[in-house]
Amino acid sequence: DTGVSQDPRHKITKRGQNVTFRCDPISEHNRLYWYRQTLGQGPEFLTYFQNEAQLEKSRLLSDRFSAERPKGSFSTLEIQRTEQGDSAMYLCASSGLAEDNEQFFGPGTRLTVL
Amino acid sequence: RKEVEQDPGPFNVPEGATVAFNCTYSNSASQSFFWYRQDCRKEPKLLMSVYSSGNEDGRFTAQLNRASQYISLLIRDSKLSDSATYLCARSNDYKLSFGAGTTVTVRA
Repeated sequence: DTGVSQDPRHKITKRGQNVTFRCDPISEHNRLYWYRQTLGQGPEFLTYFQNEAQLEKSRLLSDRFSAERPKGSFSTLEIQRTEQGDSAMYLCASSGLAEDNEQFFGPGTRLTVL
Repeated sequence: RKEVEQDPGPFNVPEGATVAFNCTYSNSASQSFFWYRQDCRKEPKLLMSVYSSGNEDGRFTAQLNRASQYISLLIRDSKLSDSATYLCARSNDYKLSFGAGTTVTVRA
C-alpha cells in the first residue's frame, strides 16, 4: 500500500499523560500536513511541513503540541499533558509541490482522553 | 463568519435521483477548491478538484461560481454507495480550510 499511513489507529489515555502519533506520507510527497477533526466538523488545519521545515502552525496548536519531521520523511505529533478537549481524530495528509495541492489523507489516529 | 460554509443536509434521496448541494467561501483570493467524500469514522477521500469553472467525473459534476463565491456538487443517478458526508475545502497558502460537511443518504 503506497498511501499515507498513521500509527496508532486508536489511542486511549488518561488526562495528563503524553501521547505521540506517527505519520508516514506518500513516499514522493514533499509536503506533510496535520489536521484535527471533531464530531460533526470538518478537519481543522494544525501545521504543515515542506521537507523537514515546519512552515506554518495554526493558533489551534497550543504549546502542549509539538510536531517534527526530522528527515523530511515521516512525522510525529506529540501532545503533552493531554486534556479531555484534545479528544479528536488526528489526520495526516501529504501532497506534492505542484500548485494544485491535492492532499491525500491517512486513516487517522482517534484519540480519547479520559 | 466561517471561511467555508456548507449546506448541512441531510439530503435523503432515492436511488437514481439527482442531488445537488452548495458550499460558500469567504476568501475571494482562493484559487483551488476540492470536494472530499468521508464515510463514517473514516478519513476524507479526494473526490474532485475544481480549479476553473468546474469539473466533471462520471456521475459527479462540480461547478465553481467565483462571482458569487460558491461551489456546487451534483450527483446524478445516485447509488446506495454514494451515502456519505461530502466535505468542501479551499486551498489557502497550501493549507486546506474545510466546511462542516453535507450528509447525503441514498435509500433503496
